[in-house]
Amino acid sequence: GAGVSQSPSNKVTEKGKDVELRCDPISGHTALYWYRQRLGQGLEFLIYFQGNSAPDKSGLPSDRFSAERTGESVSTLTIQRTQQEDSAVYLCASSLMGSNQPQHFGDGTRLSIL
Amino acid sequence: EDKVVQSPLSLVVHEGDTVTLNCSYEVTNFRSLLWYKQEKKAPTFLFMLTSSGIEKKSGRLSSILDKKELSSILNITATQTGDSAIYLCAVIDGSGNTGKLIFGQGTTLQVKP
Repeated sequence: GAGVSQSPSNKVTEKGKDVELRCDPISGHTALYWYRQRLGQGLEFLIYFQGNSAPDKSGLPSDRFSAERTGESVSTLTIQRTQQEDSAVYLCASSLMGSNQPQHFGDGTRLSIL
Repeated sequence: EDKVVQSPLSLVVHEGDTVTLNCSYEVTNFRSLLWYKQEKKAPTFLFMLTSSGIEKKSGRLSSILDKKELSSILNITATQTGDSAIYLCAVIDGSGNTGKLIFGQGTTLQVKP
């Protein structure tokens, strides 16, 4: 597709369950980012991929959060043992290679933890 | 700590009005400043500003960066109801060459008919 694609668009799960969120970046974009947007707050950086490597994971809030990227394309963000404070919109963005490029965002996954 | 601050946090205007949204930043390794428009879902890219004093324009929207004042403004002239959205300002953090964005809280703009 032409833009960044994320799935699912909405996810409701019970506290303690694991969830996987998927991101398909724009074709040819080697840089991929995950951000979190909690209600009433600005977007927070989580993790950055260059190709399949993640040189910056500094924004991951705890070791329950992990992410991987394969084929320099699809990325998956996994949250284990979800907590209520994990409820947020998780946004993925991609850009061309280089640290001074505009990022283009997907529609996000709205995650609700019951 | 690096931060980006937007003002006002919310704004209500009538169609045809002109609005100015503000963004100020304190980012140690500044690369560029970006503006996004967020309606229901994905933030959509509006402008990227790297050099001070050069205005970028797209239709009724324009933006300029002032690196001396560590700030940027986004102007929207002749507003329309379709301009109602959250406008996000973000700075590219140059540390570590990751290109990660530091976002402000956003300005919620409501344009009334």
